Amino acid sequence: EIVLTQSPDTLSLSPGEGATLSCRASQSPRSNYVAWFQQRPGQAPRLLIYGASSRATGIPDRFSGSGSGTDFTLTISRLEPEDFAVYYCQQYGTSPWTFGQGTKVEIK
Amino acid sequence: QVQLVQSGGEVGKPGASVKVSCKASGYTFTNYGISWLRQAPGQRPEWLGWISGYNGDTKFAQKVQGRVSLTTDTSTSTAYMELTSLRSDDTAVYFCARFFPGFGVGSYVLDYWGQGTLVTVSS
Repeated sequence: EIVLTQSPDTLSLSPGEGATLSCRASQSPRSNYVAWFQQRPGQAPRLLIYGASSRATGIPDRFSGSGSGTDFTLTISRLEPEDFAVYYCQQYGTSPWTFGQGTKVEIK
Repeated sequence: QVQLVQSGGEVGKPGASVKVSCKASGYTFTNYGISWLRQAPGQRPEWLGWISGYNGDTKFAQKVQGRVSLTTDTSTSTAYMELTSLRSDDTAVYFCARFFPGFGVGSYVLDYWGQGTLVTVSS
């Protein structure tokens, strides 16, 4: 199975700052089928990005995704208070679909 | 609007079975599939399998194959997941999520999720 490793585990930032989250795959997901999710405590994951770089419906343009092959990035341009949460990358190109261990973005 | 509403929390004894439902609304059920995932406390989500809303085709993660059964009732737009031979490490929040089973960049994306169902395995 494809193993996804996210870095860093925790990102301590202030509102208004930018965030860069990384996701490295043990092998290349088919067709760059990589998604990013945001999860707040007690809630279901929320789709942000799919196909490595396409924003999901209703997602603000401060969220952007990039990458290909085995290295993928989620960038949040200016953190809003509601953006402090855990973020997961997921690959859905090769079965079994797998998730990274998550990056927690916390308030500094 | 698209909604997936799951059944309430369940408690099951080791070796028993549990069945969780996921009722869909706001879209044509048979045009999409439903995937099932679970998340243990403090852990990443784990994909369990999916079922086509169109023809009932299924695919499972090897880890749970043989213990998970996925079904649908198209008359009520409801998907079901049954987990048998419960073990303590099956304790988790179980989620259903919608995906479009087509081709191209938008296919197989988990775009809408249910609210989650806590399954607790305890004697």
